[in-house]
Amino acid sequence: KAGVTQTPRYLIKTRGQQVTLSCSPISGHRSVSWYQQTPGQGLQFLFEYFSETQRNKGNFPGRFSGRQFSNSRSEMNVSTLELGDSALYLCASSLSGVNQPQHFGDGTRLSIL
Amino acid sequence: QQPVQSPQAVILREGEDAVINCSSSKALYSVHWYRQKHGEAPVFLMILLKGGEQKGHEKISASFNEKKQQSSLYLTASQLSYSGTYFCGTVPLKNQGGKLIFGQGTELSVKP
Repeated sequence: KAGVTQTPRYLIKTRGQQVTLSCSPISGHRSVSWYQQTPGQGLQFLFEYFSETQRNKGNFPGRFSGRQFSNSRSEMNVSTLELGDSALYLCASSLSGVNQPQHFGDGTRLSIL
Repeated sequence: QQPVQSPQAVILREGEDAVINCSSSKALYSVHWYRQKHGEAPVFLMILLKGGEQKGHEKISASFNEKKQQSSLYLTASQLSYSGTYFCGTVPLKNQGGKLIFGQGTELSVKP
């Protein structure tokens, strides 16, 4: 069974640009969550999608948005990039939500210059 | 709101035992435990639900004290492969379908 796939693995952007990250969950998983991981802040919850609907949202500015498609694949978009957005962005999938094991992808390493 | 993990770091010799604690100020519905090795994705270890306990791995077990909103992860007879950063994640009781909030992590190093 294929795991969670995130693309791209690495991205370098400059301030003010926007970026879209992609996450393909494990087949059959309908819940996809996104996390930002930095050395100082640890793993911070961004949002969770289930059946194409955002069910939960973390404390991030509106520049961070996402969506989920009918095949459960999810994308995350960050607009007007800031230096502080440099981080590892992880997505995790589960069968139906946060009270089940989360299966993480390898992440997208985003660097802002 | 973020759970507090202790200790922040621990160094063990192979074969030694360790306990990692996770405390929350909120009433909890579930507690998750994950291990992340450097440069890799976090890997699920186990989940403990209110009123129950589920083991995910041999020699690694956990408890969940619902009254104290605390969970402990027990690693017995540690192996080199246990090295990594351990994260607990909590789901509040009042928002059972809600956010999974992670602690800051505990870095575990197992030496030969």
